[in-house]
Amino acid sequence: EAGVAQSPRYKIIEKRQSVAFWCNPISGHATLYWYQQILGQGPKLLIQFQNNGVVDDSQLPKDRFSAERLKGVDSTLKIQPAKLEDSAVYLCASSITSGGTQETQYFGPGTRLLVL
Amino acid sequence: LAKTTQPISMDSYEGQEVNITCSHNNIATNDYITWYQQFPSQGPRFIIQGYKTKVTNEVASLFIPADRKSSTLSLPRVSLSDTAVYYCLVGDGGATNKLIFGTGTLLAVQP
Repeated sequence: EAGVAQSPRYKIIEKRQSVAFWCNPISGHATLYWYQQILGQGPKLLIQFQNNGVVDDSQLPKDRFSAERLKGVDSTLKIQPAKLEDSAVYLCASSITSGGTQETQYFGPGTRLLVL
Repeated sequence: LAKTTQPISMDSYEGQEVNITCSHNNIATNDYITWYQQFPSQGPRFIIQGYKTKVTNEVASLFIPADRKSSTLSLPRVSLSDTAVYYCLVGDGGATNKLIFGTGTLLAVQP
């Protein structure tokens, strides 16, 4: 079974530029998550989709971050404009159904972003 | 909001059993306790999950006392490849009860 795919794996940009990350979840998984992981910290949930609807985006900085999941499959996360503090690893995960705490989340390898 | 507390780091030697304890005093009645493992440059990976008493799978055991205010992840006979960060997770108790990753426990296994 193919895992969660993410691209690019690495990205270096200058502050105030924009950047986009792509995620392809495991086939058939209804719920998709985007996490931000700053060095030395645990992942922080940015946004959770169930199919193509947003379940939770309470921790998404909406003035600069946006995400979409068209057709309930692939997803993109965008940052515009980027700030220095956005340097982090952006992880995508998916789970089979509704995303409750008892559901296993499968993580991709992440995209490492460096903002200069 | 539910919160977990774990040791920041632990050291062990190959072949030893390692027990990592996590406290979650405000766990919700219907919440599960889940442990993930993360290697450098990789996403977290599910290890084990339980609701109460003891759960065992091919890689670990999870012990949960009756009050469910803590849990202990047990790794039998660790090897160098078990060096990783281990996260204990419960729901945050909010509207969507999302999982909260703390800083985790960095387990360093030495030869």
